[in-house]
Amino acid sequence: GNSVTQMEGPVTLSEEAFLTINCTYTATGYPSLFWYVQYPGEGLQLLLKATKADDKGSNKGFEATYRKETTSFHLEKGSVQVSDSAVYFCALSPTQGGSEKLVFGKGTKLTVNP
Amino acid sequence: EPEVTQTPSHQVTQMGQEVILRCVPISNHLYFYWYRQILGQKVEFLVSFYNNEISEKSEIFDDQFSVERPDGSNFTLKIRSTKLEDSAMYFCASRWRGTGELFFGEGSRLTVL
Repeated sequence: GNSVTQMEGPVTLSEEAFLTINCTYTATGYPSLFWYVQYPGEGLQLLLKATKADDKGSNKGFEATYRKETTSFHLEKGSVQVSDSAVYFCALSPTQGGSEKLVFGKGTKLTVNP
Repeated sequence: EPEVTQTPSHQVTQMGQEVILRCVPISNHLYFYWYRQILGQKVEFLVSFYNNEISEKSEIFDDQFSVERPDGSNFTLKIRSTKLEDSAMYFCASRWRGTGELFFGEGSRLTVL
């Protein structure tokens, strides 16, 4: 079946540190991959996505590359800010190009200290 | 900016009671969803709804659950007789077309005692 495994949190970093949140997936076919972010008191927001192998999604300084050979979609940011403190969810959609019936990971809470 | 709104933000109920969680999707959206997250676990798909009927549902979405869009703006999730294991954060989501971006609400936290 389809599943997503992401690194356990919480993650605590100092401002300007490098961030990596690991995400691996299991899927049949060619899924689309997503990172969602939930800021305190808000809903889930799409951060970035990639719909096929070797695509790189990017937004707000965050990046993730769809690696079919390692079934991974790790989230990275070169220099985090306090405002990046949030919970990050990796997700996949079994249908290429679509986001019907998303399958989520558990979420990783990131805290960035000044 | 348009957003999905959910009420209540937190509800506490006794086991066996009926609960209705309400959602107002973005006004021109056509596809509606409920997901839930039990504390410490994954966000799980419950149900999708399009053209006034359920288009897909998960194994979790048994006869105790129902959804409806009673008045063209609200989208509700009803749990007929709550169980302890229904305690979770419930997220509503909507999108304009079948493959567009999903927009999520802030979630409704349900606590069943």
